[in-house]
Amino acid sequence: EAGVAQSPRYKIIEKRQSVAFWCNPISGHATLYWYQQILGQGPKLLIQFQNNGVVDDSQLPKDRFSAERLKGVDSTLKIQPAKLEDSAVYLCASSLDYWARRTDTQYFGPGTRLTVL
Amino acid sequence: AQTVTQSQPEMSVQEAETVTLSCTYDTSESDYYLFWYKQPPSRQMILVIRQEAYKQQNATENRFSVNFQKAAKSFSLKISDSQLGDAAMYFCGLDYGQNFVFGPGTRLSVLP
Repeated sequence: EAGVAQSPRYKIIEKRQSVAFWCNPISGHATLYWYQQILGQGPKLLIQFQNNGVVDDSQLPKDRFSAERLKGVDSTLKIQPAKLEDSAVYLCASSLDYWARRTDTQYFGPGTRLTVL
Repeated sequence: AQTVTQSQPEMSVQEAETVTLSCTYDTSESDYYLFWYKQPPSRQMILVIRQEAYKQQNATENRFSVNFQKAAKSFSLKISDSQLGDAAMYFCGLDYGQNFVFGPGTRLSVLP
């Protein structure tokens, strides 16, 4: 079974530039999650999708962050414009469905390390 | 607000010995789940063990077991017969309602 794919693995940008991250979940997984992990901290859940609908985005800084999952499969997370404090690893995860996050697990991708200069 | 605290930023253990990682949490929810995830240098988070809050019996998964004290809101992870491959960051996680929150992590080193 192929795992969660993310690209790029690394990205370096100047502040005020825009950046996008891509995630392809495990085939058949309805629920997709984006996390932000700042160095030295645990991952912070930004947004959850169930198919192509948003379940929760209460932690997403909507003035600069946006995310979409148009066809209910892969997803993109965008930052525009980026700030220095956005430097972090952005993790994508998926689960079979919302309840499988509890009874099974979330499957995580390798993450994208973003550096904002 | 729901919070997860891990008071040990770093721990070390000799190979084949036992180590316990601490986690405390705070939630007003009655229905929640607790997790330990491992993050090796590759950054890919992997589930170690889960505990349903409504179950009193402590979860066990091979060399990994938990001590779940619901009243004290404590959820520690015990690793027995530690192996070099256990070296990683360990995150305690709380799944409540629609959200999931992780603690700050404990870096575990395994000494040969």
